[in-house]
Amino acid sequence: DTAVSQTPKYLVTQMGNDKSIKCEQNLGHDTMYWYKQDSKKFLKIMFSYNNKELIINETVPNRFSPKSPDKAHLNLHINSLELGDSAVYFCASSQDTRDKTQYFGPGTRLLVL
Amino acid sequence: GESVGLHLPTLSVQEGDNSIINCAYSNSASDYFIWYKQESGKGPQFIIDIRSNMDKRQGQRVTVLLNKTVKHLSLQIAATQPGDSAVYFCAEREYGNKLVFGAGTILRVKS
Repeated sequence: DTAVSQTPKYLVTQMGNDKSIKCEQNLGHDTMYWYKQDSKKFLKIMFSYNNKELIINETVPNRFSPKSPDKAHLNLHINSLELGDSAVYFCASSQDTRDKTQYFGPGTRLLVL
Repeated sequence: GESVGLHLPTLSVQEGDNSIINCAYSNSASDYFIWYKQESGKGPQFIIDIRSNMDKRQGQRVTVLLNKTVKHLSLQIAATQPGDSAVYFCAEREYGNKLVFGAGTILRVKS
């Protein structure tokens, strides 16, 4: 059973398009995260949700909008995609905001042409 | 492979040797320091962590050392195996359970 899953695994799209990435965790965790990993492997947090509430919002363009319909799901919608959005996006979850162990999904590889 | 074109520090070790991967951190207020392993095409995987009031913690084949004086963290892997080949990241935990990751080190194990 996959603990943290993401769809799609690969996403190739044109500049200016709008796309969504979905994440689901079946670990019963309260807290979920989105990270971006660039071409140099640098990994940076974007957002964090706890029980469907936004708790971390890093300096991310407002073209990125996370949505958490329930605590097992955290989706990421990106409007007006730009070339610089090309990266691997990882979803992660932890038991709660005190649990330092975060479990990562397999990543979504986004390529903007 | 995936590391082509990357300019991360690379550590090449012979199978069976011990590996030491180093990391410098910046925030003295971080309460936990964590090591993650990322294999090619996969998400980061938790290896071991250490609380800021400790200087050493051992796991199975891995040891983490913390030197707060010089803000330095290291991961020691005993008897390195081919399956240990990956990119290794240190991370420090800040407020709100936010993880701040280091740049990563590529570990290559030669058979």
